[in-house]
Amino acid sequence: GAGVSQSPSNKVTEKGKDVELRCDPISGHTALYWYRQSLGQGLEFLIYFQGNSAPDKSGLPSDRFSAERTGGSVSTLTIQRTQQEDSAVYLCASSLRTGPSSYEQYFGPGTRLTVT
Amino acid sequence: LAKTTQPVSMDSYEGQEVNITCSHNNIATNDYITWYQQFPSQGPRFIIQGYKTKVTNEVASLFIPADRKSSTLSLPRVSLSDTAVYYCLVVGYNNNDMRFGAGTRLTVKP
Repeated sequence: GAGVSQSPSNKVTEKGKDVELRCDPISGHTALYWYRQSLGQGLEFLIYFQGNSAPDKSGLPSDRFSAERTGGSVSTLTIQRTQQEDSAVYLCASSLRTGPSSYEQYFGPGTRLTVT
Repeated sequence: LAKTTQPVSMDSYEGQEVNITCSHNNIATNDYITWYQQFPSQGPRFIIQGYKTKVTNEVASLFIPADRKSSTLSLPRVSLSDTAVYYCLVVGYNNNDMRFGAGTRLTVKP
């Protein structure tokens, strides 16, 4: 079956522009997660959705970052007024999260964002 | 306080068994321990999950002591292709903290 997909795969933008990153989770997965990873660094948690609600937004780096999820499926991460330090790979993951055997997160291929 | 603590890096040789330990002192009763593997330019991939004692699958074993404050991922007979970063993550239904630790960079040498 289809895995988690993300688009675009690569995005180059100028400093100060807004960008939207999209994540399509695995069908039926209620939980959706956004992370970012700078070159050579570990995973930085950004936000987690359970259904359409986000119990934890504390990982968003600044108020320039926002995310939404509609219909319990597709999610969009928006970065306003991009800065060079926003350059990173943005990873999305989804999971069933309905019981002990369903915490496994399935990751997408990521969106590589470069802010020039 | 970090949620999980792992060694930054480890070296091994082909054919050896590798054990990577993760500390999670604040684990809650309903939490599970999961481990992920990440190769360069790829998203992490789930390896194994456990709650207590020992879990084994075709890839690895996971050892969890009775107090559950740590866990050890065991990779039998590693090969060069096991060179990757390994992360542990504590998860649970009432646990919304999805912060991975810094991970352990394993390098397998010929």
